Amino acid sequence: GESVGLHLPTLSVQEGDNSIINCAYSNSASDYFIWYKQESGKGPQFIIDIRSNMDKRQGQRVTVLLNKTVKHLSLQIAATQPGDSAVYFCAEIFAGYKLSFGAGTTVTVRA
Amino acid sequence: DAGITQSPRHKVTETGTPVTLRCHQTENHRYMYWYRQDPGHGLRLIHYSYGVKDTDKGEVSDGYSVSRSKTEDFLLTLESATSSQTSVYFCASTGTGAPRDYGYTFGSGTRLTVV
Repeated sequence: GESVGLHLPTLSVQEGDNSIINCAYSNSASDYFIWYKQESGKGPQFIIDIRSNMDKRQGQRVTVLLNKTVKHLSLQIAATQPGDSAVYFCAEIFAGYKLSFGAGTTVTVRA
Repeated sequence: DAGITQSPRHKVTETGTPVTLRCHQTENHRYMYWYRQDPGHGLRLIHYSYGVKDTDKGEVSDGYSVSRSKTEDFLLTLESATSSQTSVYFCASTGTGAPRDYGYTFGSGTRLTVV
């Protein structure tokens, strides 16, 4: 499953499939980009970050891709599991420590 | 996350009353933040602090003030609560350096209802 931009607020994906969540950011001077996961009733939880001078970074089952040319960020989740159901936010850090969030994508995993 | 706590977790207050929310962190982080989260808006920055007694406004600061007299505590005050300030409020903190090393850790949130 794949979402497009910040304006597609939901993504439904079959368990075991790969998920791709996309995000467009606005500040070309951002230093870092972060993906957060937020489960119902909880605060955002750090998933992975990427520095602005990189274009790809991998974590456990997740990969973040950064395309500075078009100001686009994506999060790929491999073999999506029911525990991956949550709201996912991209965020950018600029001026060293100012953290700004996008609107979020709600991911629902179908059994 | 055990390193950052918010209090209270839930509060109901009346329109026109002052309200103070507290954020406490034990990580000795330099930077602290207050966000509000509303449906369809994600998390919006209210105020942030880059050191003791050093604070600045975020994108939705009207009607809010903050204070940071100690590294570990960051207080958010609604000077005269309005119904539009009904929201979930999150506090966050971080040190300097890469996010993966230093945090941007969030508290569990305070659900505030203004009636």
